[in-house]
Amino acid sequence: DARVTQTPRHKVTEMGQEVTMRCQPILGHNTVFWYRQTMMQGLELLAYFRNRAPLDDSGMPKDRFSAEMPDATLATLKIQPSEPRDSAVYFCASGPGQGTVEQYFGPGTRLTVT
Amino acid sequence: KQEVTQIPAALSVPEGENLVLNCSFTDSAIYNLQWFRQDPGKGLTSLLLIQSSQREQTSGRLNASLDKSSGRSTLYIAASQPGDSATYLCAVQFDYKLSFGAGTTVTVRA
Repeated sequence: DARVTQTPRHKVTEMGQEVTMRCQPILGHNTVFWYRQTMMQGLELLAYFRNRAPLDDSGMPKDRFSAEMPDATLATLKIQPSEPRDSAVYFCASGPGQGTVEQYFGPGTRLTVT
Repeated sequence: KQEVTQIPAALSVPEGENLVLNCSFTDSAIYNLQWFRQDPGKGLTSLLLIQSSQREQTSGRLNASLDKSSGRSTLYIAASQPGDSATYLCAVQFDYKLSFGAGTTVTVRA
């Protein structure tokens, strides 16, 4: 049963600390997406990778967020320094092809910054 | 910018009743439309995907229609069950971008 995995599932940290979230896409999928979900804004696209190359990160605050794919089995999203307004659920999704078809979502990382 | 609206925001029905969830979008230039289910504290599960050239898709008790020209989609869930209680999200896709609605939270009372 292929699925997207994310770690950690929950993270509580203090303002100013670095946060790293990890995602393992479904084997064989070549597109990876990072989304953020909040009550106020709903689901927003933060970053999009195809074949490990970042093609769109316009949704990310550039000064504190960074996203990478060190290899085909790992995607990371880092926040440094974290702020209380970053509290949200962060989802990773992966898909085959050009990213224009179905996306498969992971269970999310619930981040709380105090 | 694509705007996706879902009405109603919340819905409570007795078990056995049919559910009708509505989704509207402002830009008809889409590749496809997807309906997702989200359970509390969980990720999104894709229920149905309708390509822009299609009018509807069916899976079991679920049926989704798409009218691209009017910017509308409807998700029908027949003979609702308590296990159908969840938030249902509509998303339209253009290129790789998914634009999501805020969701309809459904409660099915036993």
